[in-house]
Amino acid sequence: GENVEQHPSTLSVQEGDSAVIKCTYSDSASNYFPWYKQELGKGPQLIIDIRSNVGEKKDQRIAVTLNKTAKHFSLHITETQPEDSAVYFCAAPHYGGSQGNLIFGKGTKLSVKP
Amino acid sequence: EPEVTQTPSHQVTQMGQEVILRCVPISNHLYFYWYRQILGQKVEFLVSFYNNEISEKSEIFDDQFSVERPDGSNFTLKIRSTKLEDSAMYFCASSEEDSSRSAQHFGDGTRLSIL
Repeated sequence: GENVEQHPSTLSVQEGDSAVIKCTYSDSASNYFPWYKQELGKGPQLIIDIRSNVGEKKDQRIAVTLNKTAKHFSLHITETQPEDSAVYFCAAPHYGGSQGNLIFGKGTKLSVKP
Repeated sequence: EPEVTQTPSHQVTQMGQEVILRCVPISNHLYFYWYRQILGQKVEFLVSFYNNEISEKSEIFDDQFSVERPDGSNFTLKIRSTKLEDSAMYFCASSEEDSSRSAQHFGDGTRLSIL
């Protein structure tokens, strides 16, 4: 089955700097990779996702890159702001059944210092 | 923006009691999921549900767990005889299509505390 590894577990940056979080996956058949942001006391909120037919996707200050050959994908946040502070999870699908489910990484706690 | 809603936000129950966690998925979504997150750990898959039946369940989802869609809007998770280790955040999610074609959207969870 799918296994997702995520690094680093904690990341501290100064406001305005960039942050990069990396994930690797094991199942070469995986074709969809979402990133979720989880704030304290809230559920995971989808912030960006990428499908395996593209290598990069951008949405304002957030970008995700995918390297299918190496089986890794990364989240890039530019011009970080204090409100970016949260736990970020990457995920990859597992298709044990007809509809699939998500296998999550262990999360990265991002702290943006003003 | 439509969202997944979960009730209650916090449930405190004595060990051995039954609990029912409730979810209202996004209205046009057809695929439903339950996940759990033990404090400080990653989100773990429990069960997926489509067309009024379970599509897949993890090894966590043993005979003590069941899911139901009792009407056109609610999706519930029942734990028959709770154990201390069931204490966790439980998240409901829904998607318009299956996981390869559309994103899963999560509710804010129910914090289950077993005493």
